[in-house]
Amino acid sequence: NAGVTQTPKFQVLKTGQSMTLQCAQDMNHEYMSWYRQDPGMGLRLIHYSVGAGITDQGEVPNGYNVSRSTTEDFPLRLLSAAPSQTSVYFCASSYSADTYEQYFGPGTRLTVT
Amino acid sequence: EDQVTQSPEALRLQEGESSSLNCSYTVSGLRGLFWYRQDPGKGPEFLFTLYSAGEEKEKERLKATLTKKESFLHITAPKPEDSATYLCAARGSNYKLTFGKGTLLTVNP
Repeated sequence: NAGVTQTPKFQVLKTGQSMTLQCAQDMNHEYMSWYRQDPGMGLRLIHYSVGAGITDQGEVPNGYNVSRSTTEDFPLRLLSAAPSQTSVYFCASSYSADTYEQYFGPGTRLTVT
Repeated sequence: EDQVTQSPEALRLQEGESSSLNCSYTVSGLRGLFWYRQDPGKGPEFLFTLYSAGEEKEKERLKATLTKKESFLHITAPKPEDSATYLCAARGSNYKLTFGKGTLLTVNP
């Protein structure tokens, strides 16, 4: 198993550009989520999905879109990048939304200039 | 609102010097307390899940314990390779995971 994979590892965008961060898992996990990690802020939930076709907002959803058309993939779209979105983004998955632990990908470091 | 607070923010130990990290939580309907280890430039790595007060789990030099308000990560005779940021997270009745800001542990040889 590859676990949770994320691409790209690094990305630099200009203000106003759009892009998609890719996330895939091969563990047949129902629950997937996106977090951002900023210095002094800890990990904050952006969006999550409890299964294919179902998504919901987390703590900091503004400026981001998600969709879940398959169990394996959960892309995160930045519609119009802003410097405030400079961060490290982590995708995570777990067997279900209930009590199971989440497994994290290696992260994408995004810089918006 | 669910809250998780970790202390201290940073801890420096000598190799072999045992200590504990604290995680206090305010969560409605706890559905799991999780500990992760994060190395620089990497994603968090799962360590333990605790579900009810009194529960303990061990892995090598690490032992996690849980009370109704706190969790502790005890590190016995740490080695330099235990240096990392340790994250605590709690899942409440809304199924969302709330993370603390982490404790940066440095173990000097």
